[in-house]
Amino acid sequence: DGGITQSPKYLFRKEGQNVTLSCEQNLNHDAMYWYRQDPGQGLRLIYYSQIVNDFQKGDIAEGYSVSREKKESFPLTVTSAQKNPTAFYLCASTGFATNEKLFFGSGTQLSVL
Amino acid sequence: GENVEQHPSTLSVQEGDSAVIKCTYSDSASNYFPWYKQELGKRPQLIIDIRSNVGEKKDQRIAVTLNKTAKHFSLHITETQPEDSAVYFCAASKYSGGSNYKLTFGKGTLLTVNP
Repeated sequence: DGGITQSPKYLFRKEGQNVTLSCEQNLNHDAMYWYRQDPGQGLRLIYYSQIVNDFQKGDIAEGYSVSREKKESFPLTVTSAQKNPTAFYLCASTGFATNEKLFFGSGTQLSVL
Repeated sequence: GENVEQHPSTLSVQEGDSAVIKCTYSDSASNYFPWYKQELGKRPQLIIDIRSNVGEKKDQRIAVTLNKTAKHFSLHITETQPEDSAVYFCAASKYSGGSNYKLTFGKGTLLTVNP
């Protein structure tokens, strides 16, 4: 289960609070992604980053922010502007050696108190 | 942008039977079509993929077929076993440069294999 690590496994957010989900990889992958998973909705792309200090919005970026200060790390902040944050969040990465194959973390379940 | 439709949303089969899951995509420029399996409580994992220059690919009991003209692709699982029970996701992408592969996923199919 090594390679890409997400923490925490469970996270609770209070009204009006920002929370940050951690994603770290030791695969030397250049590209990293954040997906949101809701029951019956598949995986929807929030943000992605091809290289350090660069990232692009995915299909559902509103209410989220990211940073990519290090190749290994791609934290996701769920801001108070995200009105329906309860979901399972998956981080993933890809690299030149592995082509298009996404390596996923084990996920973070975010719930609202 | 790309849109991927996946059917059925749930599928129940008897052990030993075959299972087929179908996906359609909208962007004719898409050229890579993977399938991911997610067991309950676990992370999705790639099980098979196909590129647009190939019509069919097999790996033991699983196979994927692609019809570029109709813009649809299918996952076939033969001789199903209880451990095949999981949610299966199809996806589509077109290469967008560097090491970035932006996938669009279907909504998933919950496959249940009954002993």
